Amino acid sequence: GAGVSQTPSNKVTEKGKYVELRCDPISGHTALYWYRQSLGQGPEFLIYFQGTGAADDSGLPNDRFFAVRPEGSVSTLKIQRTERGDSAVYLCASSAGLGTGELFFGEGSRLTVL
Amino acid sequence: AQKITQTQPGMFVQEKEAVTLDCTYDTSDPSYGLFWYKQPSSGEMIFLIYQGSYDQQNATEGRYSLNFQKARKSANLVISASQLGDSAMYFCAMREIVRTGANSKLTFGKGITLSVRP
Repeated sequence: GAGVSQTPSNKVTEKGKYVELRCDPISGHTALYWYRQSLGQGPEFLIYFQGTGAADDSGLPNDRFFAVRPEGSVSTLKIQRTERGDSAVYLCASSAGLGTGELFFGEGSRLTVL
Repeated sequence: AQKITQTQPGMFVQEKEAVTLDCTYDTSDPSYGLFWYKQPSSGEMIFLIYQGSYDQQNATEGRYSLNFQKARKSANLVISASQLGDSAMYFCAMREIVRTGANSKLTFGKGITLSVRP
């Protein structure tokens, strides 16, 4: 499709396990963002890529969280030693950086840590 | 410091009436952009409208308009002729451009729930 694609849409895991969430941005979009959204809250910024490099990772809560975008397209958010507090919807967005520079969001990956 | 403030706990509006959703922001940058997004119960974030800090006129997009009051640092969203499909969460967001660059992150508020009554 033409939009931002995120997989899996739902992930249930046990405390302490490792999780990977994948984002496939809109073709040609150079900027890619990861956000985390807890129930009833606004999206919370995690990290932003411009091309292959992380331009701003100030939102990553701790060193259990890591993200990569090796070829400047698909990105993977990696969470080690998951905790129950990591349960949230993880949103990915991309932007062409043109005009208003609005972000186009995927439908999110809902992570539940038991 | 909180960058985006949305304090209305929940809003109700009668179908076909207009409604205003409040947003105030805080920045010391002279150049910034303000965005409104809609999030229905299905979860996707839908871009609605954008206002640049140097734009002379208030932004409009169909039934959406932005009441931008720069001196008061407010950017309220006005939805005219409300429809049942407008029931959703609405988020105000800001991008600070000068210090962090034109393609930097958006900072979101906590959102406002809008319910449209038939």
